[in-house]
Amino acid sequence: GAVVSQHPSRVICKSGTSVKIECRSLDFQATTMFWYRQFPKQSLMLMATSNEGSKATYEQGVEKDKFLINHASLTLSTLTVTSAHPEDSSFYICSARVSGAGNQPQHFGDGTRLSIL
Amino acid sequence: SQELEQSPQSLIVQEGKNLTINCTSSKTLYGLYWYKQKYGEGLIFLMMLQKGGEEKSHEKITAKLDEKKQQSSLHITASQPSHAGIYLCGVRRSNDYKLSFGAGTTVTVRA
Repeated sequence: GAVVSQHPSRVICKSGTSVKIECRSLDFQATTMFWYRQFPKQSLMLMATSNEGSKATYEQGVEKDKFLINHASLTLSTLTVTSAHPEDSSFYICSARVSGAGNQPQHFGDGTRLSIL
Repeated sequence: SQELEQSPQSLIVQEGKNLTINCTSSKTLYGLYWYKQKYGEGLIFLMMLQKGGEEKSHEKITAKLDEKKQQSSLHITASQPSHAGIYLCGVRRSNDYKLSFGAGTTVTVRA
């Protein structure tokens, strides 16, 4: 149980393109999902908290207009990197919490490797 | 996170040998989570610790949380090639369920 699916796994696109990444909880409902960014050989950096039915909460230094988050249902959150540039190239990974489950772990997707040319 | 230190940064062990990874927080935690990641892939949940002095085991992996809830150790007994990967500790410091992660420990197991 507690499977999180992230799609696509890899994206290569030209500078200026907007890229959408999907994060789905397959067998549970997730009121809250999280989006992280990971640079090579570094740890995960939390970008934002995605809340179903309300606005996302962004961490300090993360541009909300650059990284648009939509959490329209209890099983799907999307991250759109708008007008992506080479510096946005990174490994993006999402996680989800089981709704109402108290102090339970976050379950992670397999990540999306984004390469901007 | 500067408030969270994970050590060692990397280690190489001979197959069959034991290893220990440490995670130290400068502040008291609500919860501590151990994950394993293979490079370029997602995180696999290993164990969660909440109570001071708590200890959990799964197969050959044991994790402990100290009484003050500021330090945890992950111990692998008789390591196997399948134990190779990056081990990350994540800590929860508040009720918002956000996690801060350590820098990770890269484990290599040599046959």
